[in-house]
Amino acid sequence: DVKVTQSSRYLVKRTGEKVFLECVQDMDHENMFWYRQDPGLGLRLIYFSYDVKMKEKGDIPEGYSVSREKKERFSLILESASTNQTSMYLCASSLAGNNSPLHFGNGTRLTVT
Amino acid sequence: AQKITQTQPGMFVQEKEAVTLDCTYDTSDPSYGLFWYKQPSSGEMIFLIYQGSYDQQNATEGRYSLNFQKARKSANLVISASQLGDSAMYFCAMREGNFNKFYFGSGTKLNVKP
Repeated sequence: DVKVTQSSRYLVKRTGEKVFLECVQDMDHENMFWYRQDPGLGLRLIYFSYDVKMKEKGDIPEGYSVSREKKERFSLILESASTNQTSMYLCASSLAGNNSPLHFGNGTRLTVT
Repeated sequence: AQKITQTQPGMFVQEKEAVTLDCTYDTSDPSYGLFWYKQPSSGEMIFLIYQGSYDQQNATEGRYSLNFQKARKSANLVISASQLGDSAMYFCAMREGNFNKFYFGSGTKLNVKP
Protein backbone atom coordinates (compact mmCIF):
# COMPACT_ATOMS: atom_id res chain seq x y z
CA ASP A 1 0.00 0.00 0.00
CA VAL A 2 1.14 3.51 -0.77
CA LYS A 3 1.89 5.52 2.29
CA VAL A 4 1.97 9.29 2.26
CA THR A 5 2.91 10.76 5.61
CA GLN A 6 2.44 14.36 6.65
CA SER A 7 4.57 15.40 9.59
CA SER A 8 1.84 17.11 11.61
CA ARG A 9 -1.87 16.53 11.99
CA TYR A 10 -2.53 19.84 13.70
CA LEU A 11 -0.37 22.94 13.76
CA VAL A 12 -0.88 26.35 15.34
CA LYS A 13 1.41 29.18 14.27
CA ARG A 14 1.57 32.92 14.74
CA THR A 15 1.22 35.51 12.01
CA GLY A 16 4.58 36.22 10.39
CA GLU A 17 6.18 32.91 11.32
CA LYS A 18 7.88 30.76 8.71
CA VAL A 19 6.06 27.44 8.53
CA PHE A 20 7.26 24.14 7.09
CA LEU A 21 4.85 21.37 6.19
CA GLU A 22 6.60 18.12 5.40
CA CYS A 23 5.37 15.23 3.30
CA VAL A 24 7.03 11.89 2.63
CA GLN A 25 5.90 9.07 0.33
CA ASP A 26 7.30 5.57 0.23
CA MET A 27 6.28 4.37 -3.24
CA ASP A 28 8.85 6.01 -5.49
CA HIS A 29 6.23 8.22 -7.12
CA GLU A 30 7.45 10.81 -9.58
CA ASN A 31 4.72 13.32 -8.86
CA MET A 32 3.92 15.07 -5.59
CA PHE A 33 1.32 17.70 -4.90
CA TRP A 34 0.21 20.18 -2.26
CA TYR A 35 -3.45 21.14 -2.02
CA ARG A 36 -5.39 23.26 0.39
CA GLN A 37 -9.01 22.57 1.19
CA ASP A 38 -11.43 25.17 2.45
CA PRO A 39 -15.19 24.90 3.02
CA GLY A 40 -17.06 25.95 -0.09
CA LEU A 41 -13.90 26.26 -2.18
CA GLY A 42 -13.02 22.59 -2.56
CA LEU A 43 -9.48 21.41 -3.22
CA ARG A 44 -7.12 23.93 -4.74
CA LEU A 45 -3.70 23.05 -6.05
CA ILE A 46 -0.86 25.11 -4.59
CA TYR A 47 2.22 23.50 -6.19
CA PHE A 48 3.23 20.23 -7.68
CA SER A 49 6.53 18.57 -8.53
CA TYR A 50 7.16 16.00 -11.26
CA ASP A 51 10.78 15.29 -10.37
CA VAL A 52 13.49 16.12 -7.87
CA LYS A 53 14.20 19.85 -7.82
CA MET A 54 11.37 20.43 -10.33
CA LYS A 55 8.26 22.34 -9.38
CA GLU A 56 5.31 23.96 -11.05
CA LYS A 57 2.83 26.48 -9.74
CA GLY A 58 -0.72 25.40 -9.25
CA ASP A 59 -3.77 27.60 -9.00
CA ILE A 60 -2.91 29.47 -5.79
CA PRO A 61 0.88 29.61 -5.30
CA GLU A 62 1.01 33.12 -3.80
CA GLY A 63 2.45 33.14 -0.30
CA TYR A 64 3.86 29.63 -0.65
CA SER A 65 7.03 27.98 -1.86
CA VAL A 66 8.07 24.34 -2.11
CA SER A 67 11.17 22.23 -1.97
CA ARG A 68 11.89 18.80 -3.37
CA GLU A 69 15.47 17.82 -2.71
CA LYS A 70 14.76 14.07 -2.58
CA LYS A 71 12.24 12.07 -4.56
CA GLU A 72 10.32 10.91 -1.51
CA ARG A 73 9.99 14.27 0.22
CA PHE A 74 8.03 17.38 -0.75
CA SER A 75 7.94 20.36 1.58
CA LEU A 76 5.52 23.26 1.57
CA ILE A 77 6.83 26.51 3.02
CA LEU A 78 4.81 29.47 4.18
CA GLU A 79 7.40 32.23 4.15
CA SER A 80 5.41 34.53 6.43
CA ALA A 81 2.22 32.94 7.66
CA SER A 82 -0.97 34.97 7.52
CA THR A 83 -4.41 34.31 8.97
CA ASN A 84 -5.86 33.69 5.49
CA GLN A 85 -3.59 30.67 5.25
CA THR A 86 -5.51 28.93 8.00
CA SER A 87 -6.70 25.81 6.22
CA MET A 88 -6.45 22.06 5.78
CA TYR A 89 -3.35 21.15 3.75
CA LEU A 90 -3.26 17.89 1.86
CA CYS A 91 -0.18 16.33 0.34
CA ALA A 92 -0.52 13.71 -2.39
CA SER A 93 1.64 11.64 -4.68
CA SER A 94 1.10 9.70 -7.88
CA LEU A 95 2.84 7.91 -10.69
CA ALA A 96 2.86 9.58 -14.09
CA GLY A 97 0.03 8.76 -16.48
CA ASN A 98 -3.66 9.56 -16.42
CA ASN A 99 -4.59 6.17 -15.02
CA SER A 100 -2.70 6.82 -11.81
CA PRO A 101 -4.67 8.06 -8.83
CA LEU A 102 -3.53 10.56 -6.28
CA HIS A 103 -2.66 9.02 -2.93
CA PHE A 104 -3.20 11.46 -0.11
CA GLY A 105 -1.71 11.93 3.31
CA ASN A 106 -3.91 12.45 6.36
CA GLY A 107 -3.76 16.21 6.08
CA THR A 108 -2.44 18.99 8.27
CA ARG A 109 -4.91 21.37 9.83
CA LEU A 110 -3.02 24.64 10.14
CA THR A 111 -4.29 27.52 12.23
CA VAL A 112 -2.54 30.87 11.99
CA THR A 113 -3.37 33.26 14.83
CA ALA B 1 -16.55 25.93 -17.90
CA GLN B 2 -16.32 23.59 -14.94
CA LYS B 3 -14.27 20.50 -15.65
CA ILE B 4 -16.05 18.40 -13.04
CA THR B 5 -19.60 19.02 -11.86
CA GLN B 6 -21.23 17.37 -8.88
CA THR B 7 -24.77 18.70 -8.61
CA GLN B 8 -25.75 17.08 -5.31
CA PRO B 9 -24.33 19.00 -2.34
CA GLY B 10 -25.94 16.56 0.08
CA MET B 11 -27.77 13.24 0.00
CA PHE B 12 -29.44 10.89 2.43
CA VAL B 13 -29.74 7.14 2.00
CA GLN B 14 -31.18 4.43 4.20
CA GLU B 15 -28.74 1.83 5.49
CA LYS B 16 -28.55 -1.25 3.21
CA GLU B 17 -29.95 0.64 0.21
CA ALA B 18 -28.02 1.57 -2.92
CA VAL B 19 -27.18 5.18 -3.74
CA THR B 20 -25.92 6.95 -6.85
CA LEU B 21 -23.72 10.03 -6.67
CA ASP B 22 -23.67 12.07 -9.85
CA CYS B 23 -20.63 13.39 -11.68
CA THR B 24 -20.34 14.99 -15.10
CA TYR B 25 -17.11 16.07 -16.70
CA ASP B 26 -15.93 18.26 -19.53
CA THR B 27 -12.90 17.50 -21.68
CA SER B 28 -11.92 17.43 -25.34
CA ASP B 29 -8.95 15.14 -24.69
CA PRO B 30 -9.67 11.58 -25.86
CA SER B 31 -7.46 10.16 -23.11
CA TYR B 32 -8.43 10.80 -19.52
CA GLY B 33 -8.97 9.10 -16.20
CA LEU B 34 -11.86 9.49 -13.80
CA PHE B 35 -11.53 8.90 -10.07
CA TRP B 36 -13.72 8.89 -6.99
CA TYR B 37 -12.50 9.72 -3.50
CA LYS B 38 -14.11 9.44 -0.08
CA GLN B 39 -13.33 11.94 2.66
CA PRO B 40 -14.63 10.98 6.12
CA SER B 41 -14.94 13.60 8.85
CA SER B 42 -11.39 12.77 9.96
CA GLY B 43 -10.14 14.49 6.79
CA GLU B 44 -8.10 11.95 4.87
CA MET B 45 -8.89 11.44 1.18
CA ILE B 46 -9.35 7.79 0.28
CA PHE B 47 -9.12 6.63 -3.32
CA LEU B 48 -12.11 4.44 -4.20
CA ILE B 49 -12.29 3.65 -7.89
CA TYR B 50 -10.83 4.51 -11.30
CA GLN B 51 -12.27 4.51 -14.83
CA GLY B 52 -10.18 5.07 -17.94
CA SER B 53 -11.64 6.78 -20.99
CA TYR B 54 -10.85 3.78 -23.19
CA ASP B 55 -12.20 1.19 -20.79
CA GLN B 56 -15.10 -0.74 -22.29
CA GLN B 57 -16.42 -2.07 -19.01
CA ASN B 58 -17.64 -0.10 -16.02
CA ALA B 59 -15.19 -0.24 -13.14
CA THR B 60 -16.13 -2.08 -9.95
CA GLU B 61 -14.39 -2.31 -6.57
CA GLY B 62 -16.33 -4.26 -3.98
CA ARG B 63 -19.50 -2.32 -3.16
CA TYR B 64 -18.43 0.57 -5.43
CA SER B 65 -19.14 0.69 -9.13
CA LEU B 66 -18.76 3.46 -11.64
CA ASN B 67 -21.55 4.00 -14.15
CA PHE B 68 -19.55 5.38 -17.06
CA GLN B 69 -21.56 6.93 -19.90
CA LYS B 70 -18.98 8.37 -22.24
CA ALA B 71 -21.34 10.02 -24.71
CA ARG B 72 -23.08 11.84 -21.87
CA LYS B 73 -19.75 12.58 -20.15
CA SER B 74 -20.98 11.20 -16.89
CA ALA B 75 -19.22 9.03 -14.33
CA ASN B 76 -21.64 8.32 -11.52
CA LEU B 77 -20.57 6.42 -8.42
CA VAL B 78 -22.92 3.69 -7.24
CA ILE B 79 -22.59 2.42 -3.69
CA SER B 80 -24.52 -0.78 -3.07
CA ALA B 81 -25.80 -1.89 0.34
CA SER B 82 -24.92 1.37 2.11
CA GLN B 83 -23.33 1.16 5.54
CA LEU B 84 -23.16 3.74 8.32
CA GLY B 85 -19.43 4.02 7.67
CA ASP B 86 -20.15 5.27 4.16
CA SER B 87 -21.25 8.63 5.59
CA ALA B 88 -18.64 11.03 4.20
CA MET B 89 -17.90 13.58 1.49
CA TYR B 90 -17.38 12.08 -1.94
CA PHE B 91 -15.32 13.78 -4.64
CA CYS B 92 -15.20 13.05 -8.34
CA ALA B 93 -11.94 13.91 -10.12
CA MET B 94 -10.46 13.81 -13.61
CA ARG B 95 -6.93 13.66 -14.95
CA GLU B 96 -6.46 14.56 -18.61
CA GLY B 97 -3.96 13.18 -21.09
CA ASN B 98 -0.39 13.25 -19.87
CA PHE B 99 -0.88 16.22 -17.65
CA ASN B 100 -0.28 16.17 -13.96
CA LYS B 101 -3.28 18.27 -13.09
CA PHE B 102 -6.30 16.76 -11.40
CA TYR B 103 -9.65 18.49 -11.53
CA PHE B 104 -11.95 17.96 -8.55
CA GLY B 105 -15.66 18.46 -8.17
CA SER B 106 -17.15 20.33 -5.24
CA GLY B 107 -18.18 17.11 -3.52
CA THR B 108 -21.35 15.41 -2.31
CA LYS B 109 -21.98 14.87 1.39
CA LEU B 110 -23.59 11.50 1.90
CA ASN B 111 -25.43 10.67 5.10
CA VAL B 112 -26.44 7.07 5.71
CA LYS B 113 -29.41 6.74 8.07
CA PRO B 114 -29.82 3.71 10.35
